[in-house]
Formats: sequence, C-alpha cells, structure tokens
Amino acid sequence: EDQVTQSPEALRLQEGESSSLNCSYTVSGLRGLFWYRQDPGKGPEFLFTLYSAGEEKEKERLKATLTKKESFLHITAPKPEDSATYLCAVSYYGGATNKLIFGTGTLLAVQP
Amino acid sequence: GAGVSQSPSNKVTEKGKDVELRCDPISGHTALYWYRQSLGQGLEFLIYFQGNSAPDKSGLPSDRFSAERTGGSVSTLTIQRTQQEDSAVYLCASSGRGTQETQYFGPGTRLLVL
Repeated sequence: EDQVTQSPEALRLQEGESSSLNCSYTVSGLRGLFWYRQDPGKGPEFLFTLYSAGEEKEKERLKATLTKKESFLHITAPKPEDSATYLCAVSYYGGATNKLIFGTGTLLAVQP
Repeated sequence: GAGVSQSPSNKVTEKGKDVELRCDPISGHTALYWYRQSLGQGLEFLIYFQGNSAPDKSGLPSDRFSAERTGGSVSTLTIQRTQQEDSAVYLCASSGRGTQETQYFGPGTRLLVL
C-alpha cells in the first residue's frame, strides 16, 4: 500500500538547537516528494520539491534531502518563527492523477 | 489574485443541510485539486480536475460529495445531506499542466456540521 510516514509526531527545540524531521515513503515509482509548512488556521505553504535520490534543496535555515526510501528536513539554528507543522507528501507513477499522498505531519515548537 | 482563494473561510451548518464550497485557482493553472483535512489526520485527496479532461473522482468518500469546475477556472465542491463526520477543513490546490508541477494551496474552508 502506498503510504507516507512522518516522525516524530511532535518536536520541541530550543532556539538555535538544530534537528531533523523524517519522512519515509513506500510508493511504486516516485514522481516527486514535497515539503510544506502549515501554520494554525492556514493552508499548507510550499517549501521544496525533490525528484530524485541524492537531490538536496535549501532555503534559509531549512535543507531538504532525498534518498530512495526517505527524505529529511534539516533545520539549522531554528528560531521561534519556524514553529509550525511540517507536512511531507509524494506523488507517484501508476495513475493518471497527480494527486498527493500526505503524511500526518510533524508539529515543531521552537522555544525562545 | 496572486494565490488560491477559497470561500467561505468558515461554515457552520446543521446535519442534513447541503453546503457549497468555492475555490478560485491561481490564474493560468490548469489543474485543480480538492483535499480534506480532518483533525489529527493527514490531507486526504478528494477530486482532481485537469483542463477539459474528465475529473478523477476516486477520492470522494460518498455520493453525497460532488464537484464541478466551470470554464476551466472556478470550482465548487458540494456536500449534500451533511453529516457530523463531514466536519473538516476542505483545502483546494492548483498547479500547472505537468505531472511534476507543484501544488499551491488555498487557506481552506473550515466546515462544522452540528
């Protein structure tokens, strides 16, 4: 069964304390892996798309990496404004639809 | 507008009533998606429109749910005879034509069925 699993479910960090979020996936033919950030009461905000193993992308304090089975979102020296739920999603070959399969997210809280 | 817009932002209805949720995609985007986000669960795909092609309705949970897209732009998701389990955030996203295009989400409609 195609699925996406994110860990941990929740993470509390001190400001400046770097860490990583994990997204593991089991799909038959990955088209793309997407990271989104979601603030309370808002829709998901796009962060990164990764298409092939070994690919890396960076934006400010965030860096996303991809292997054949999982992706990591590395957060370097986080700030309180990085607090949000981080969602991972994949699209895959095997159907005509470009629908995304989402994980349940990691709730990140960064304490000042 | 610059992004995906949805209306209403919030909707409270009584069990058994019908509701309509609206989505305006990003100008020029040919693909439009509806997802549902229930408390404590991941986003769940509902329906997908791409240009003039027949929509992919494989994610609709029951025949009480339907959606249409007029003129290749605005979409309406209709839920008939609402049930309490329909309470959720309904999110719309749009993207370009390619199969690897990024989906951009709207702010969602928070539906509460009493």
